Amino acid sequence: DGGITQSPKYLFRKEGQNVTLSCEQNLNHDAMYWYRQDPGQGLRLIYYSQIVNDFQKGDIAEGYSVSREKKESFPLTVTSAQKNPTAFYLCASSIGQDSSYNSPLHFGNGTRLTVT
Amino acid sequence: GNSVTQMEGPVTLSEEAFLTINCTYTATGYPSLFWYVQYPGEGLQLLLKATKADDKGSNKGFEATYRKETTSFHLEKGSVQVSDSAVYFCALQGGSEKLVFGKGTKLTVNP
Repeated sequence: DGGITQSPKYLFRKEGQNVTLSCEQNLNHDAMYWYRQDPGQGLRLIYYSQIVNDFQKGDIAEGYSVSREKKESFPLTVTSAQKNPTAFYLCASSIGQDSSYNSPLHFGNGTRLTVT
Repeated sequence: GNSVTQMEGPVTLSEEAFLTINCTYTATGYPSLFWYVQYPGEGLQLLLKATKADDKGSNKGFEATYRKETTSFHLEKGSVQVSDSAVYFCALQGGSEKLVFGKGTKLTVNP
């Protein structure tokens, strides 16, 4: 079955350490996204990529970095510069830039990151 | 810019009750509107969508009608089940703008 795989499901890190969250899709989608979900705040866009080797900052990119070297993969690194990294992180993909009509977002099951 | 406002939860209902979750939006032009659902411990799934005024999206017994005159896209279901317990997100996308989500409404259905 096609889908998006995020790993690991739970991740624990000490403060000051960088950590990389994995996101892989086999849907052959061009666009991929990273969202952060906090209680009572809905989803906030961190980074997105519409094509391989290109990505753009979302609304809360500070303290995060991404790469898009392959169509299938869009890893997110949470750096030590991110002040409040503990959150639920969701990766998503869509067919292309114009996702408003025929291409809804497909989401992974998320990674819950806890930094202490 | 574009924005979505949905009713705050949590919402608690008994099985077979009628559900309404309100969603209103602010946007220029003619956005597309969506409802996504998030079951416990999972990511979001598209529940239904509408791409133009007066369109009705429907899926799994849920319905929402795109009302341009009231800038609303309220989610309804006639008879909820325990398995409908989840968080529901209203979302909007207009033109080349990114998808904008509401803050989510948590629904709990008791047997």
